[in-house]
Amino acid sequence: GAGVSQSPSNKVTEKGKDVELRCDPISGHTALYWYRQSLGQGLEFLIYFQGNSAPDKSGLPSDRFSAERTGGSVSTLTIQRTQQEDSAVYLCASSSTRAQETQYFGPGTRLLVL
Amino acid sequence: QKEVEQNSGPLSVPEGAIASLNCTYSDRGSQSFFWYRQYSGKSPELIMFIYSNGDKEDGRFTAQLNKASQYVSLLIRDSQPSDSATYLCAALTSGGFKTIFGAGTRLFVKA
Repeated sequence: GAGVSQSPSNKVTEKGKDVELRCDPISGHTALYWYRQSLGQGLEFLIYFQGNSAPDKSGLPSDRFSAERTGGSVSTLTIQRTQQEDSAVYLCASSSTRAQETQYFGPGTRLLVL
Repeated sequence: QKEVEQNSGPLSVPEGAIASLNCTYSDRGSQSFFWYRQYSGKSPELIMFIYSNGDKEDGRFTAQLNKASQYVSLLIRDSQPSDSATYLCAALTSGGFKTIFGAGTRLFVKA
């Protein structure tokens, strides 16, 4: 695709429910990142995928958060038993192997946990 | 803990002035640094990256890096109201591919 896409763009859920957020990176990009951005705050690193290597999960805030990347392309971030403090914008970014440092961001998923 | 620090602002400058945005980082092994611009309600977009000590210019933007002082800055010349946004400084950590972002500086350019 032309850019990184994410779905849904907005998600409202009730506390305790599970949610899945999807990211479709730029075609050919091998690196994929998930970040969380709370209102008025900077980007909080969550997880990083690079090709077939084991992901760097060091930023996941709790075991309720998990992510997978199938076939080296699409990624899904899952939040189980959502809490109100999970409300934020979840941003996905991808980069190519030749310029891994330059990240291209998707539009984000705005999650609201009631 | 590897951190990137920025003044949250807001920084307010008149149209046509130079806006100076500053950032410090704690990981001395970081080699690559980035400035992203984020408009309200939008995703960050890359403005510039810099790897070497000194200045790097691109149009109205100049990035400056001083590794000895662990300091990165972004200068915006001839500031325009359309430059009003939050500017995020980021550093690629040593030994990996994790990018640490600062909390961002809000810039307001007054017409």
